[in-house]
Amino acid sequence: EPEVTQTPSHQVTQMGQEVILRCVPISNHLYFYWYRQILGQKVEFLVSFYNNEISEKSEIFDDQFSVERPDGSNFTLKIRSTKLEDSAMYFCASNRQGYGYTFGSGTRLTVV
Amino acid sequence: AQSVAQPEDQVNVAEGNPLTVKCTYSVSGNPYLFWYVQYPNRGLQFLLKYITGDNLVKGSYGFEAEFNKSQTSFHLKKPSALVSDSALYFCAVRDLGSGNTPLVFGKGTRLSVIA
Repeated sequence: EPEVTQTPSHQVTQMGQEVILRCVPISNHLYFYWYRQILGQKVEFLVSFYNNEISEKSEIFDDQFSVERPDGSNFTLKIRSTKLEDSAMYFCASNRQGYGYTFGSGTRLTVV
Repeated sequence: AQSVAQPEDQVNVAEGNPLTVKCTYSVSGNPYLFWYVQYPNRGLQFLLKYITGDNLVKGSYGFEAEFNKSQTSFHLKKPSALVSDSALYFCAVRDLGSGNTPLVFGKGTRLSVIA
């Protein structure tokens, strides 16, 4: 069964540093998403991406966040200047319109 | 705007007993409903979904959910709980009438099955 792949599985970074979280969505999916989950809490929507542009974003997704699909297969989330409160599990997902989401296994980001 | 409520933070059930994890939703159009499960330090694993058709939906690992339009509910059920079912369960909804709107999750319910 096709999978969404996320790398790395765990990233530790110092406050103020930039991080890039990587995702490889399922190849015939057209919609891509990033969600985050602060430890053991609610899964929160960050951003959706379609046709090489952001289609929707939440209030969490402020100017320190950006997404891109640099090469037609990877889908990345960049956090420019990490803060302690950015520590969370970040999930990538993809789908075709009208179908359910397939989630990756997540990247645990720890900001120290 | 769409929203999901999971009124219980924690559900405890004895192994072998039936379990129910509650979920209610709010959408402006027709709902597209999901249940996901998360085991410790793992990702979100799809259990089942409802779009149209039979109100009783069967999913993975013996779970099922019942769609009730009048009560705007989509409760997750299993006839006989296993200790291995202990995990965090999330209900999620999309509004089918609003293009490809993002999936919105409930806050999660922690299920603990006691041997």
